[in-house]
Amino acid sequence: EAGVTQFPSHSVIEKGQTVTLRCDPISGHDNLYWYRRVMGKEIKFLLHFVKESKQDESGMPNNRFLAERTGGTYSTLKVQPAELEDSGVYFCASSQVVEGAQYFGPGTRLLVL
Amino acid sequence: GNSVTQMEGPVTLSEEAFLTINCTYTATGYPSLFWYVQYPGEGLQLLLKATKADDKGSNKGFEATYRKETTSFHLEKGSVQVSDSAVYFCALRGEGGSTLGRLYFGRGTQLTVWP
Repeated sequence: EAGVTQFPSHSVIEKGQTVTLRCDPISGHDNLYWYRRVMGKEIKFLLHFVKESKQDESGMPNNRFLAERTGGTYSTLKVQPAELEDSGVYFCASSQVVEGAQYFGPGTRLLVL
Repeated sequence: GNSVTQMEGPVTLSEEAFLTINCTYTATGYPSLFWYVQYPGEGLQLLLKATKADDKGSNKGFEATYRKETTSFHLEKGSVQVSDSAVYFCALRGEGGSTLGRLYFGRGTQLTVWP
């Protein structure tokens, strides 16, 4: 069974540009989560999808971040325009049920210059 | 609110040494507690979990006991190996409501084991 995959693995962009991160959850997992780790700090929750609906988006830092999960399969997280403080590692996770174990992808390392 | 405080690293040990990584938490009610591990170049993997007070989670020689009286979930291993070198994250999940799926993480502890 394939695990959670994320694309790209690394992205380097300039301040003001747009970046789109993609996450493919484990097949059949209705729950999809985005997290972010800024260097040296804790991993912080961004949002939670159940199928295509946003269950909890209270962790999204501001309106420059837009997450979608059309069709309830893969998800994208767009940052527009990117700022320096957006640099970090963005993790995606999925779970079959909300109380179940969350399986994480390898992360996308974003660097905004 | 919910939060996790984890022992800061890095931790450097010789092979076969005893490992303890401290983790304490703040939460309302009865959260579930987790330890995740991130090996170099990989994503986070669930190492062990405990869902109620006095539960002991164990996996790959690692153990952690859910202590409600001290709000702690310390990770221990009796004899570490070089292959245990990784970053370890303590995490909790709240009891319920619309934020049930959210995990709260500590800052992570880098463990390096030398042969």
